Amino acid sequence: EAQVTQNPRYLITVTGKKLTVTCSQNMNHEYMSWYRQDPGLGLRQIYYSMNVEVTDKGDVPEGYKVSRKEKRNFPLILESPSPNQTSLYFCASRSGERRNEQFFGPGTRLTVL
Amino acid sequence: SQQGEEDPQALSIQEGENATMNCSYKTSINNLQWYRQNSGRGLVHLILIRSNEREKHSGRLRVTLDTSKKSSSLLITASRAADTASYFCATDGGSYIPTFGRGTSLIVHP
Repeated sequence: EAQVTQNPRYLITVTGKKLTVTCSQNMNHEYMSWYRQDPGLGLRQIYYSMNVEVTDKGDVPEGYKVSRKEKRNFPLILESPSPNQTSLYFCASRSGERRNEQFFGPGTRLTVL
Repeated sequence: SQQGEEDPQALSIQEGENATMNCSYKTSINNLQWYRQNSGRGLVHLILIRSNEREKHSGRLRVTLDTSKKSSSLLITASRAADTASYFCATDGGSYIPTFGRGTSLIVHP
């Protein structure tokens, strides 16, 4: 089954404790991206990647890092999480055709205390 | 970065009625997509309309695009309680990754 998976689905952590949210897709998609979703603000893009070893900042990259060492994986790293990073996070992927749809993961709900 | 803005923010209707939501954007686009999100879940792609298209249908969905007004509308006909969700438009202009608006929250009462 074609899908985007994220782990963990739920995470409660404390300020400053490094964490990684994994994202994996099995569709051989070139493009992958991370979004955060907050009430009243909709989805905001954090980082995106156009292919292996090619990443770029989105609209709200501060406090986040990403890597794209393999085509299927695109982890999101919070080196020192803060409470304002409490949010619902989505990973998405898309094939190289720009007119194609994005496939979204199920989301990761993160709470930083 | 460009962003679609949906209107209204919230819409409440009765089952069987039509639901119309609008999206406005700021700069020229290659295509515009509509997505649906059930509460707390990932977004699901509904329909894509290219910049050279004016109208597109998919089942009970009808999407229009007016590039001169930089706006799009999504019409859901004969709505059902299961259509209750948030709906987002996403624009794909100069970047390779679509950017999303804040969404319209639709509630369909049985």
